[in-house]
Amino acid sequence: DAKTTQPTSMDCAEGRAANLPCNHSTISGNEYVYWYRQIHSQGPQYIIHGLKNNETNEMASLIITEDRKSSTLILPHATLRDTAVYYCIVRASGNTGKLIFGQGTTLQVKP
Amino acid sequence: NAGVTQTPKFQVLKTGQSMTLQCAQDMNHNSMYWYRQDPGMGLRLIYYSASEGTTDKGEVPNGYNVSRLNKREFSLRLESAAPSQTSVYFCASSELYPQETQYFGPGTRLLVL
Repeated sequence: DAKTTQPTSMDCAEGRAANLPCNHSTISGNEYVYWYRQIHSQGPQYIIHGLKNNETNEMASLIITEDRKSSTLILPHATLRDTAVYYCIVRASGNTGKLIFGQGTTLQVKP
Repeated sequence: NAGVTQTPKFQVLKTGQSMTLQCAQDMNHNSMYWYRQDPGMGLRLIYYSASEGTTDKGEVPNGYNVSRLNKREFSLRLESAAPSQTSVYFCASSELYPQETQYFGPGTRLLVL
């Protein structure tokens, strides 16, 4: 599985868009990009995933570059409840199902 | 629809004691997982059950046993607890195996003295 690199921490003003980057320069053609978050020691929460097209759901948008070497998770209107650790995970579908959580990005949403 | 539930929420054990962590899901998922998370670390897979009636070891299975009681329930047992097993334990489920879209419970915080 491709390794991912994320900034350790980021701040965002409440009501503004939060843009969380992830580098995955060694990603393979069959590997998906997944995003999870963990709020204050709760169980991780699935946010979104994609292969090469941009994806959007009720929680967030995922923008994947054309060469697929990086991606950005966008929370369009961040709230204080979005303060969490955000994990970018690259996985090939059909592998063991084991999720490898790195250090992630701690997003602090400030009033 | 409660999703994934875990009991207990918090437990203190003495070294050598045994206990069972319970997990249940009401999403009719086929696959279930047990992870542990140590302070400041990512999650590590202990055991998983791809489908009812099957269980397999994950990354850190030593000191643990599991039972897939039925499609809904997946329990984790510590036969003789050790301080190194102090951790937060998360149960997760997914519709199919292998699948990376997993839904997690709130966790059980275990302290072994």
